[in-house]
This record gives sequence, C-alpha cells and structure tokens, in this order.
Amino acid sequence: EPEVTQTPSHQVTQMGQEVILRCVPISNHLYFYWYRQILGQKVEFLVSFYNNEISEKSEIFDDQFSVERPDGSNFTLKIRSTKLEDSAMYFCASGRDNSPLHFGNGTRLTVT
Amino acid sequence: AQTVTQSQPEMSVQEAETVTLSCTYDTSESNYYLFWYKQPPSRQMILVIRQEAYKQQNATENRFSVNFQKAAKSFSLKISDSQLGDTAMYFCAFMIENTGTASKLTFGTGTRLQVTL
Repeated sequence: EPEVTQTPSHQVTQMGQEVILRCVPISNHLYFYWYRQILGQKVEFLVSFYNNEISEKSEIFDDQFSVERPDGSNFTLKIRSTKLEDSAMYFCASGRDNSPLHFGNGTRLTVT
Repeated sequence: AQTVTQSQPEMSVQEAETVTLSCTYDTSESNYYLFWYKQPPSRQMILVIRQEAYKQQNATENRFSVNFQKAAKSFSLKISDSQLGDTAMYFCAFMIENTGTASKLTFGTGTRLQVTL
C-alpha cells in the first residue's frame, strides 16, 4: 500500500538555525498538510496546500514557516529561524477528495 | 469553527474486555466526516475507522465500531476483545467535506488507552 514518507526521522538543530523537513506524499493525492504535535499534547494543524498554493494556515504558521512543492513529488516545510518552542513532532499528511488523510511517520525536531 | 472534545484523558481495560472511548464535536456544517486515529508509542498516526455524517449506519472495522449520534454530535469508539497491541493514544478527528479545497482534520486532545493483562 502506498505511504507518505518523511525525512529525516529525527532532526537536531540549534536555536536560530533554518531547518527543512521533507515529505513525499502519496502520488495520486491532491491535498497536502503539515501538522505539529508537541510532546504529550494534541495534534495541531499548521497548513494545507492544494493546487500549488496554501489553502489554509493556522495561527502557528507565522512568517517563520513556509511550504513548497518544488518538483511535483516532494512537499517541504521550512522553519527559517528555529526557536526552542518549535521542538515537536512534525507530521506530513496527504489526501484525496473526501478520503481520510494518510500520515507519514513524522519528523522529531529538537531545537537546542 | 469546529471543535472536538475528548473528555477522558486516560482509560484502562483488561485484555479481552470491551472499552468505549467518548468524543463529542461541535459544528454548523451538514456534510462532514469523523475519524478515529490511533497513535502507538512509535507516534505513527494510524487510521482506525471512518464515519460519513450522511450515513445513519454505524461504521465497523473488525473489533472496532462506532456509535454515531448525529443529533447529539457524539462519536464514540468501541473496542471489543481488547488486545495488548491496542495500547495507544486515540484521537477523534473531524473533517468538513471537501468542496474543491484542502479540508483539514481537527483533532481532539486524545485518550490514552492502556490494555492490561
């Protein structure tokens, strides 16, 4: 069964550094998402992407965050200048019309 | 805006027993979907079951079934014959029907289920 893949599985970075989290969604999916889960807390929506543009973004998704789908297969989340509070599990998800979202295994981001 | 509430932070059940996890939601939308996702210690997000709001029949998936009460905006998950592998965090989630745009999932705060011997 096709799956969403995320790399790396764990990223450690210093505060103020830029990070790029990568995702390869399922190939025939149309909608792409990033979610964040701080340890022990709920899964929070960051951003959705469709037709090569952002569909919706949450309050969390401020100017430090950006997303790209550079080559029709990868879907990336960039955090320009990481803060300690960005430490979390980041999940990529993809979906088609009115179908459940399929999640990747997540990237654990640790900001030191 | 949609909200999803899970009022049970933790639950425990003995192996082979049945347990029910509660979820309520609030929305003014008519067409939507409800889901239960399982998150084991590995922190993967695994779809357990899905319910379309327009269907009156409750969804079932092997040992997992839901009790969907649309008027009450309630969507509980029943796990029968609980197994040790069911130990996980369970998230209830809501999604508006797609209308040509990316419709997001809104999650509850989760219920941590422990299955004991």
